[in-house]
Amino acid sequence: DAGVTQSPTHLIKTRGQQVTLRCSPISGHKSVSWYQQVLGQGPQFIFQYYEKEERGRGNFPDRFSARQFPNYSSELNVNALLLGDSALYLCASSFGQGRDYGYTFGSGTRLTVV
Amino acid sequence: QKEVEQNSGPLSVPEGAIASLNCTYSDRGSQSFFWYRQYSGKSPELIMFIYSNGDKEDGRFTAQLNKASQYVSLLIRDSQPSDSATYLCAVTGGAGGTSYGKLTFGQGTILTVHP
Repeated sequence: DAGVTQSPTHLIKTRGQQVTLRCSPISGHKSVSWYQQVLGQGPQFIFQYYEKEERGRGNFPDRFSARQFPNYSSELNVNALLLGDSALYLCASSFGQGRDYGYTFGSGTRLTVV
Repeated sequence: QKEVEQNSGPLSVPEGAIASLNCTYSDRGSQSFFWYRQYSGKSPELIMFIYSNGDKEDGRFTAQLNKASQYVSLLIRDSQPSDSATYLCAVTGGAGGTSYGKLTFGQGTILTVHP
């Protein structure tokens, strides 16, 4: 079975541009969450969607938005890119919500803003 | 106070030794606790998670949870050079259980296992 797949793998954008990152969860997983990881730090939570509804939002500006589609895949959009948005963007999926569900990460999208 | 704190590293152990990684958390209502391994340039890989007080073993790995002390640890027995990586502790389910799906991570501990 395929794991969590993310695309693209790498991306270089210019300041002020917009970017869309994509995530396909493990088959049957209904929860998708997004994280930003800068070098030397743990991942920071951006959004979580469960059953196509936003269930959580981290401390990120409104330039960041996301959505989940009927097939449970998800997109993360970032507008008006800043140099500080350069990071590894990670998507994680889980079958459900609750204390006994694990979260599996995709391989990530490395975004470089120049 | 950080929400999740891990013991400062880097941690260096000889091959075959036990590596001990520690983590404390501030939200007493947190429900589930995760350990991830992250190799340089790669994404986090789930090692195991625990939600009941006590020990949980999986092969060479043992997670220990003490909710009263708000402490979770990971022991790696018979450490191998291939275990050299950054280990991330994460928690979820706080705020009365409304935050499931939001993982709060520590800063990570770099482990080096030398031959």
